[in-house]
Amino acid sequence: QSVLTQPPSASGTPGQRVTISCSGSSSNIGSNYVYWYQQLPGTAPKLLIYRNNQRPSGVPDRFSGSKSGTSASLAISGLRSEDEADYYCAAWDDSLSGRGWVFGGGTKLTVL
Amino acid sequence: QVTLRESGPALVKPTQTLTLTCTFSGFSLSTSGMCVSWIRQPPGKALEWLALIDWDDDKYYSTSLKTRLTISKDTSKNQVVLTMTNMDPVDTATYYCARIRGGYDPTNYFDYWGQGTLVTVSS
Repeated sequence: QSVLTQPPSASGTPGQRVTISCSGSSSNIGSNYVYWYQQLPGTAPKLLIYRNNQRPSGVPDRFSGSKSGTSASLAISGLRSEDEADYYCAAWDDSLSGRGWVFGGGTKLTVL
Repeated sequence: QVTLRESGPALVKPTQTLTLTCTFSGFSLSTSGMCVSWIRQPPGKALEWLALIDWDDDKYYSTSLKTRLTISKDTSKNQVVLTMTNMDPVDTATYYCARIRGGYDPTNYFDYWGQGTLVTVSS
């Protein structure tokens, strides 16, 4: 069971806009930045969004992140076949059980 | 170009100690702000942060696993080693190492990851 909650799957057709949600609590998303990672099949996770809504160099502006309260979302517009991957959210967690980074369970995005 | 690569045994027996090595290039762990972390992912489950070592040799561990983990570095070899004692089948996972810049801090994040190495715990 993950500290951050994501839907296990999402799907869309080419050109569509899809969103992936990530739900946490006051000890993680509610008080810290959210990060998103993309993991293409058989490859290492790749940083997609940092500090809620910032894109690293080279990440297309089709990818955007947002945060509100204890939840966050990743939006992908103009969906492309190469976007088919697993997506993970992450945040720092500072609670009675410890301090460190926590992750969502991942969302498998299928491009139909 | 930053790269990281994990290496270690693919199979360990219950109660054994696991030793994994992360060999990296494109940065130095003697540079202020540089850190390397270990993260694991059991099959079909969520990622779990395990440990971090920074440029100043400060070490941080997951609270739930800290009694079993040891992280160390060899700056001259550009390597970070993670040992995990008393391995159990529930520790079966893909183990990743990743770089962080800036230290053990809520504002920092894993910017480069290795491909991961699958470790199976079975007798």
